[in-house]
Amino acid sequence: IVLTQTPLSSLVTLGQPASISCRSSQTLVHRDGNTYLSWLQQRPGQPPRLLIYKSSNRFSGVPDRFSGSGAGTDFTLKISRVEPEDVGVYYCMHSTQFPHSYTFGQGTKLEI
Amino acid sequence: QVQLQESGPGLVKPSETLSLICTVSGGTISSFYWTWVRQPPGKGLEWVGYIYYSGSTNYNPSLKSRVTISVDTSKNQFSLRLSSVTAADTAVYYCARGGYDDGEYYYYHMDVWGKGTTVSVSS
Repeated sequence: IVLTQTPLSSLVTLGQPASISCRSSQTLVHRDGNTYLSWLQQRPGQPPRLLIYKSSNRFSGVPDRFSGSGAGTDFTLKISRVEPEDVGVYYCMHSTQFPHSYTFGQGTKLEI
Repeated sequence: QVQLQESGPGLVKPSETLSLICTVSGGTISSFYWTWVRQPPGKGLEWVGYIYYSGSTNYNPSLKSRVTISVDTSKNQFSLRLSSVTAADTAVYYCARGGYDDGEYYYYHMDVWGKGTTVSVSS
């Protein structure tokens, strides 16, 4: 499975929305019906941080301006109003169940 | 609150073996998947491999011949060994909790990350 993110770089205005796309080379729906597509944020000099899991579930402590959507092969991370602390690189990530493995998208750099 | 801490040499010579340990504190290692992820300078994230607490493993096919991940549940630690390193293995290495499975409830996202440790391969 190959995850392709677009755009690779995005320049956004404070307070404006931002959107990042993640497209998979094949469907990410597992035989259990779940879609193990996550979104991670990596601020400069920091480790990655989980934002969204199973395509649309916001992780604990993540501001509600972040939302995830999508199904099958097309997924989107949206930020409703970009804040200064949102600067960084965003990755989509897929986890397979059997055999268990992980795949990352190439990352999207968000700048203000 | 679970925390992960990577430790190990910051400099490894070419052709030698890179060895890192991840110590899990504030929680149990049982029923979880534990992973290693690396990030070369200025590049994206690359999954290296995982170990389930019981000892089952899977590795990135591109690294499989050189990678070994092991777990020591008595110490709440898991380890990475990468043999025959070259300059291309220079990266920040992160350990992360990669999911949970107790036979009834499971999830597969990386929800806890260590701060990362920089490993340079150079003579």
